[in-house]
Amino acid sequence: AQSVTQPDIHITVSEGASLELRCNYSYGATPYLFWYVQSPGQGLQLLLKYFSGDTLVQGIKGFEAEFKRSQSSFNLRKPSVHWSDAAEYFCAVSTYGQNFVFGPGTRLSVLP
Amino acid sequence: SQTIHQWPATLVQPVGSPLSLECTVEGTSNPNLYWYRQAAGRGLQLLFYSVGIGQISSEVPQNLSASRPQDRQFILSSKKLLLSDSGFYLCAWSVPGAFSYGYTFGSGTRLTVV
Repeated sequence: AQSVTQPDIHITVSEGASLELRCNYSYGATPYLFWYVQSPGQGLQLLLKYFSGDTLVQGIKGFEAEFKRSQSSFNLRKPSVHWSDAAEYFCAVSTYGQNFVFGPGTRLSVLP
Repeated sequence: SQTIHQWPATLVQPVGSPLSLECTVEGTSNPNLYWYRQAAGRGLQLLFYSVGIGQISSEVPQNLSASRPQDRQFILSSKKLLLSDSGFYLCAWSVPGAFSYGYTFGSGTRLTVV
């Protein structure tokens, strides 16, 4: 069955530190991969996506993600976290003919 | 440009009362439409999706129902709310067949059943 895992339920980092949020998927076909961010009480905003080409993709707010086919991973990174990055982050996967499958989310807390 | 609207933003309803949440999309035609729910501290659960007027697919048996009376209107309803219906409800749309575009979400409705 198709699935998306985000191993870290909650991560806390200090402001200015680097960040990596993990995402692993299990899909039979080449998937389309997405990262969304959700601020408290808000909808989900698309950060970035990958569907072909360069495996390192750049997104909004200084985020990037790298697709590694051999590891079935699509980890989200940011070199220096800002307090405003505190939010819930969701990895999502889709493939032809299928609805999105979302990971369970990772809550990011940022210490001043 | 395309926009998606959800209302109300916040709702407090007593147990046993009816529910109607509305979602509309502007600037596109024949979108795929979705209703998701987030319970407190949990991830996203797909409740319903629709690929056209009157076409509703239910993902999970619920005390809820959905309808699509117009191309860009998606309504989530309940005849009698349960405490367990509390949560954050999100509407989303996507371009049919364009799997690389992703979903666009509304700003959500916080429902508290008391």
